[in-house]
Amino acid sequence: DIQMTQSPSSLSASVGDRVIITCRASERIRNYVNWYQQIPGKAPRLLIYGASSLQSGVPSRFSGSGSGTDFTLTISSLQPEDFATYYCQQSYGAPYTFGQGAKVEI
Amino acid sequence: VQLVQSGPGVEKPGASMKVSCKASEYIFIDYYLHWVRQAPGQGLEWMGRINPHSGATEYAQKFQGRVTMTRDTSSSTAYMELTSLTSDDSAVYFCARAHLISAFYHFDYWGQGALVTVSS
Repeated sequence: DIQMTQSPSSLSASVGDRVIITCRASERIRNYVNWYQQIPGKAPRLLIYGASSLQSGVPSRFSGSGSGTDFTLTISSLQPEDFATYYCQQSYGAPYTFGQGAKVEI
Repeated sequence: VQLVQSGPGVEKPGASMKVSCKASEYIFIDYYLHWVRQAPGQGLEWMGRINPHSGATEYAQKFQGRVTMTRDTSSSTAYMELTSLTSDDSAVYFCARAHLISAFYHFDYWGQGALVTVSS
């Protein structure tokens, strides 16, 4: 199975900060990475697919990049509603494994 | 698009559970449905998927032999049954629709989740 490792596992940030979360795959997966946001008590929400494609309706302050084994999710200017946990997922092949999550806190 | 889930709530160790996922506002047979679970305070764990058109399934090895995913096309509902429950199976169970755009596979709509607690 492909392992996805995120860093950091948690971080503290302020409104307006630029936040970068990284995800490393255990083998090369081209650009088959998705990013999700999860607010406590809610279902995950798709932000980015194909490493860098913004899902419809997602604010442009979210962006993704990377290819091969290393990927990043960037929030250009953190907003109050962005405090949540973020997960990467590989879609290269089943099982479609997730990273362990990165919690963004105030 | 909506995915509305229901589940048993509480089950006893050793029992089986079945969670449903009713789809609406899209063509049910056109999109795979996946099941993902999340134990309390933990991350997301992929369990498997079903092709609603053919009924073909693929399960994570961890759940092989214990999980069965089915669907009823007449009601646009998918089901996930898990047997031989232990406390480690206490989790929120999500269904998610898989979408394919330009070869990129992702989960674009999710059910609200069904909390299942395994307890005697």
